[in-house]
Amino acid sequence: AQSVTQLDSHVSVSEGTPVLLRCNYSSSYSPSLFWYVQHPNKGLQLLLKYTSAATLVKGINGFEAEFKKSETSFHLTKPSAHMSDAAEYFCVASHTGGFKTIFGAGTRLFVKA
Amino acid sequence: DTAVSQTPKYLVTQMGNDKSIKCEQNLGHDTMYWYKQDSKKFLKIMFSYNNKELIINETVPNRFSPKSPDKAHLNLHINSLELGDSAVYFCASSHVAGAQETQYFGPGTRLLVL
Repeated sequence: AQSVTQLDSHVSVSEGTPVLLRCNYSSSYSPSLFWYVQHPNKGLQLLLKYTSAATLVKGINGFEAEFKKSETSFHLTKPSAHMSDAAEYFCVASHTGGFKTIFGAGTRLFVKA
Repeated sequence: DTAVSQTPKYLVTQMGNDKSIKCEQNLGHDTMYWYKQDSKKFLKIMFSYNNKELIINETVPNRFSPKSPDKAHLNLHINSLELGDSAVYFCASSHVAGAQETQYFGPGTRLLVL
């Protein structure tokens, strides 16, 4: 069975400090992996996606994620948090076909001034 | 030039009413979806529609019915609204490149049933 676990429901950082949002997946075979961001009262925006071309994926707004098959992880990082990064972040695993798309429960990122 | 759009953005209605939410995508994608996001932010897929093939998540009540007049539109009709239907509903469309499918989401429709 496929599953996505976001290890922290809430993460709080100070502005200018690094961000780490953790995601582990479980799948019978290598899924496609994505991170989406949802700002308050907004829709979901694609941050980045993993393709087999490179294990370190760069996304928008300075975010990046590293795929580690041995750890079945796809953690999202950013070197320096900005106030505008405060949002809900979703890790997603997918195989072709919508019913094989699994969302993590989300991690709420708080950024303190 | 919005890629995936939904109307209305907000919908407040009484229990028992029937309502529709519209979704349109201008990305040329073949597949569209409806998701429900509950108050705890959990996203649940409701329907998938691809080339006139509808795949229904069997846990979705039959009061919910998707309607697709063409490839660019997937509307959601809800009969006999209940309090528990209050949620944010997201439409999405997707394309497949190789073995990878990428979904693009609309801004959401916030439904409140009183």
